[in-house]
Amino acid sequence: AQSVTQLGSHVSVSEGALVLLRCNYSSSVPPYLFWYVQYPNQGLQLLLKYTTGATLVKGINGFEAEFKKSETSFHLTKPSAHMSDAAEYFCAVSRSWGKLQFGAGTQVVVTP
Amino acid sequence: KAGVTQTPRYLIKTRGQQVTLSCSPISGHRSVSWYQQTPGQGLQFLFEYFSETQRNKGNFPGRFSGRQFSNSRSEMNVSTLELGDSALYLCASSWENTGASNTGELFFGEGSRLTVL
Repeated sequence: AQSVTQLGSHVSVSEGALVLLRCNYSSSVPPYLFWYVQYPNQGLQLLLKYTTGATLVKGINGFEAEFKKSETSFHLTKPSAHMSDAAEYFCAVSRSWGKLQFGAGTQVVVTP
Repeated sequence: KAGVTQTPRYLIKTRGQQVTLSCSPISGHRSVSWYQQTPGQGLQFLFEYFSETQRNKGNFPGRFSGRQFSNSRSEMNVSTLELGDSALYLCASSWENTGASNTGELFFGEGSRLTVL
């Protein structure tokens, strides 16, 4: 069975500081991994995804994530936080047709 | 290209009533999935449809049902509403049409926020 664990339900970062959101998965086979962002009163928007190939994945809005099979991790980073990055972030693993299993989410607050 | 459209965006119902939510996928997308989002349970998969057939189903009671039409539009229905059904219901579409696993991106709508009183 696959599961997704996001460490920290809330993260507060200063504007300009590094954003690091942690995601670990459990899977018996190499998974397909995703990071989504949700702004208030909106749906989910894909930030980036890992399927196969390069383990360092670049996404939109300056975010990137590294797939580390040995650590079963897929942490999301952004070198310099912007006020517009305040949102909730979800890590997800693909399970089967149209079905993603999501982590519990991490709420990011950006302080001036 | 228009995104995933969900209607209505907001609705209020009372216990015991039923509700139907609608989803129009991105043009050309044939797979439609539904998710329930609540503060307590997070994002939970309801079901997925492809070519008018339900291919995958989550662990929800039979009060939750759905269907897909020949133009790929989808509806979900919740009968005999309970207070716990209050949630944001998200629809997502994808162009994936074959294979045992969804490797592609899901495109989400803005959701339908249901409040049950």
